[in-house]
Amino acid sequence: DSGVTQTPKHLITATGQRVTLRCSPRSGDLSVYWYQQSLDQGLQFLIQYYNGEERAKGNILERFSAQQFPDLHSELNLSSLELGDSALYFCASSRLDSQPQHFGDGTRLSIL
Amino acid sequence: GDSVTQMEGPVTLSEEAFLTINCTYTATGYPSLFWYVQYPGEGLQLLLKATKADDKGSNKGFEATYRKETTSFHLEKGSVQVSDSAVYFCALIQPYTGNQFYFGTGTSLTVIP
Repeated sequence: DSGVTQTPKHLITATGQRVTLRCSPRSGDLSVYWYQQSLDQGLQFLIQYYNGEERAKGNILERFSAQQFPDLHSELNLSSLELGDSALYFCASSRLDSQPQHFGDGTRLSIL
Repeated sequence: GDSVTQMEGPVTLSEEAFLTINCTYTATGYPSLFWYVQYPGEGLQLLLKATKADDKGSNKGFEATYRKETTSFHLEKGSVQVSDSAVYFCALIQPYTGNQFYFGTGTSLTVIP
């Protein structure tokens, strides 16, 4: 058990909809990272938050947004969903920047 | 930009065979290097790491040595088990100039009895 909790585990929705994925980092970890894992793109870094502030941005679409709350949990919001957004979304956390990241089990998003 | 290149999979080995998964990187300066493992249906788990040249990371019988001269961090294990079947990811991070992990595409390993 990595200590990183992601909910829900599975999400099925339709094109055009909006969903929110939630991540609770390990106790004491200040950094939260979001990744998308798909068959064709592999594992891609989306965005990082550190102690509530956006720290780094990767290949995140404009339809996607994230935030980290004062209690350090994070949410990834995906809107105007397309079939190609179907993927596994992982959250990871680390105590500080650049420390080894601990991954959650992921949320599998299926767009019908 | 920084990047990681892994050998293409899938790799299929018999139990007790020797494993090598190649990983090379492109990066400026002195990145930290990692191997992560993903078992079916699970998230990624840190397997081992090395933070400077000539460092050897090791865990659970797996080893990898940070070779700056060849920009490589190949993963090895002397005798694989069925339970080692998983996807292995090589990754790097720049400790002082960036926060982004760069992952390789992953190498799927299947070990057959």
